[in-house]
Amino acid sequence: RKEVEQDPGPFNVPEGATVAFNCTYSNSASQSFFWYRQDCRKEPKLLMSVYSSGNEDGRFTAQLNRASQYISLLIRDSKLSDSATYLCVVPTGGFKTIFGAGTRLFVKA
Amino acid sequence: DTGVSQDPRHKITKRGQNVTFRCDPISEHNRLYWYRQTLGQGPEFLTYFQNEAQLEKSRLLSDRFSAERPKGSFSTLEIQRTEQGDSAMYLCASSLGTSGPQLTDTQYFGPGTRLTVL
Repeated sequence: RKEVEQDPGPFNVPEGATVAFNCTYSNSASQSFFWYRQDCRKEPKLLMSVYSSGNEDGRFTAQLNRASQYISLLIRDSKLSDSATYLCVVPTGGFKTIFGAGTRLFVKA
Repeated sequence: DTGVSQDPRHKITKRGQNVTFRCDPISEHNRLYWYRQTLGQGPEFLTYFQNEAQLEKSRLLSDRFSAERPKGSFSTLEIQRTEQGDSAMYLCASSLGTSGPQLTDTQYFGPGTRLTVL
């Protein structure tokens, strides 16, 4: 089993739609989690961090389910500018950070 | 611009040559990371520095790869005897960390160095 797994997509959604991505992780000792956004041929940038059960920032909600070892990202009222790859990030018990392969999102007019 | 910078942005080399990349982190950041990213994949962890100490190195990193951060500021990543499989984007990130091994700090990425090995 991969340490961090994501559905690669792509997710093709119309503007205004709600879309959700899941990410599963294998290290039960992980305490903190992140969602990064990466635009085509650009560097990743932090979108949200998740330390407890969840986090909300405007149209974006991240939730953590420790029992099932997954985190989710919900995007409401999708905008064209949300089109990107969303990377799930799980620091390990040491100093190593594991990125998922990413979920591609395309928002269409 | 006070973000993470990387140099060069692009490097084309022939198989068997050595290459060296440089990363300048955000000035007050004590933690520095190197990653490798290929098309369709997420960044793959290579190594981690806290100040000048290299505290973690991926087992995927062969002996041809070496990284340094001599004064706890900029870092270099060297690849010796490059192979075509080394072609990738090499990303550097930095963070200001005060927590222990369970890292909770935000990593800020540089624009990357794209390596092509012919």
